Amino acid sequence: QKEVEQNSGPLSVPEGAIASLNCTYSDRGSQSFFWYRQYSGKSPELIMSIYSNGDKEDGRFTAQLNKASQYVSLLIRDSQPSDSATYLCAVPRQGGKLIFGQGTELSVKP
Amino acid sequence: GAGVSQTPSNKVTEKGKYVELRCDPISGHTALYWYRQSLGQGPEFLIYFQGTGAADDSGLPNDRFFAVRPEGSVSTLKIQRTERGDSAVYLCASSLMAPDTQYFGPGTRLTVL
Repeated sequence: QKEVEQNSGPLSVPEGAIASLNCTYSDRGSQSFFWYRQYSGKSPELIMSIYSNGDKEDGRFTAQLNKASQYVSLLIRDSQPSDSATYLCAVPRQGGKLIFGQGTELSVKP
Repeated sequence: GAGVSQTPSNKVTEKGKYVELRCDPISGHTALYWYRQSLGQGPEFLIYFQGTGAADDSGLPNDRFFAVRPEGSVSTLKIQRTERGDSAVYLCASSLMAPDTQYFGPGTRLTVL
C-alpha cells in the first residue's frame, strides 16, 4: 500500500461545477496535509494546508480532513478552465520531506 | 524577491555520462530539498539539507546519486553513470527552515538517451 494514494483521473467537470479531489493516507500518525497544484510543465504550488479534522475554506477552495478514515479531500467550487491542472496531495514526514500521491489531473471544460 | 532557481532547465545526456544539476534556493532559506518526478507521478523525495549537512538522504535510489551543499546555500545534485531510468524532472525546493512551507523551483528535465 502506498503511503499517499490518489485517483490519477483525469477528472473532467464543466465550468461552474464543483470539482472533488480525494486522497487517502496510510500513516495514522500524520498530523498535517497539503494540496499542491501543478500546471503542465510547471512546478508544484501550495494551495491549501489542513491540520485539524473538519473543513478549511479559502476562497473557492475547501480542504476536508477526516483522520478517523485517513481521508483528505479538496473541493473546488465554481470551477474555472484555469483550474485545469494536476492536484497533488502531500503528507510531511520528519524534517519536512513531503510524501506525494501520484496526483489527480483535473480538466474543467468551458 | 527571487524564487528558487534551477539550472540547467533541460539536460540531455548519453547513458553512462556524469551530470550535475544545480539549485539556488531562496535567499535565507536554510532547508533545501531535492525531489524527482517521473511522468504521470507525484514528486518523489531524494534528499534534504538543513544548512550544509544532509539531514536525510534516504530517498537517494543508489550510490550513483550524490548531493552537496558546501556553503549552506547552493546545492548540486550529482548523478554518475547515468541510466535511461534516471530520465525525469528533478525538482528542488527550499524553506526558511525544516519543516516550514516549501517553495519549488522550475525543475531540471533530465533526458538520458
